[in-house]
Amino acid sequence: EIVLTQSPGTLSLSPGERATLSCRASQSVSSSYLAWYQQKPGQAPRLLIYGASSRATGIPDRFSGSGSGTDFTLTISRLEPEDFAVYYCQQYNGAFGQGTKVEIK
Amino acid sequence: EVQLVESGGGVVQPGGSLRLSCAASGFTFDDYAMHWVRQAPGKGLEWVSLISGDGGSTYYADSVKGRFTISRDNSKNSLYLQMNSLRTEDTALYYCAKDTYVWGSYRFDYWGQGTLVTVSS
Repeated sequence: EIVLTQSPGTLSLSPGERATLSCRASQSVSSSYLAWYQQKPGQAPRLLIYGASSRATGIPDRFSGSGSGTDFTLTISRLEPEDFAVYYCQQYNGAFGQGTKVEIK
Repeated sequence: EVQLVESGGGVVQPGGSLRLSCAASGFTFDDYAMHWVRQAPGKGLEWVSLISGDGGSTYYADSVKGRFTISRDNSKNSLYLQMNSLRTEDTALYYCAKDTYVWGSYRFDYWGQGTLVTVSS
């Protein structure tokens, strides 16, 4: 069973700063099956990135995904106020990472 | 516009049963696999179950295998989750989620707002 570990647990940043979120898999994961989701309080998750680097429909280009093998990264180039949320990575058998909270510093 | 609306949640005693429903609209329902994903209060996301577009293939997380049954009625554009032998650790918000592929890619492009299940004596 592949386990996804996200780091850091919490990221404290200011609007306009760059956010770099990490997702590490316990075994190699096909890039085709790595996704990122955003969840705001009281809302359902939203698909941001699929196939490790492809943006979902309607997702701003400040969000980007990269990585392969066991190490994947979600980058938010310049944080907007609406980007402060919890982010989850997920791989093809459905397993999610534990989440990274991006909070306002 | 794609819409997924869950219902059927509530409070149930340990060992009890509950049936969740998800009404889908805005897309050709039987062209896509569907999932249930849950989130315990204040916790992360946990995938629960998958059913293929034709209903012929189903998969479950180990934590619910043998207790939960996923099904769908394509004539009614509806997804179901029959939950038996409920445990306190099954307490969660249960989301219905649409896959992007008929056989299941585990990529969830649309989610409902969830229905809350509380297992408590």
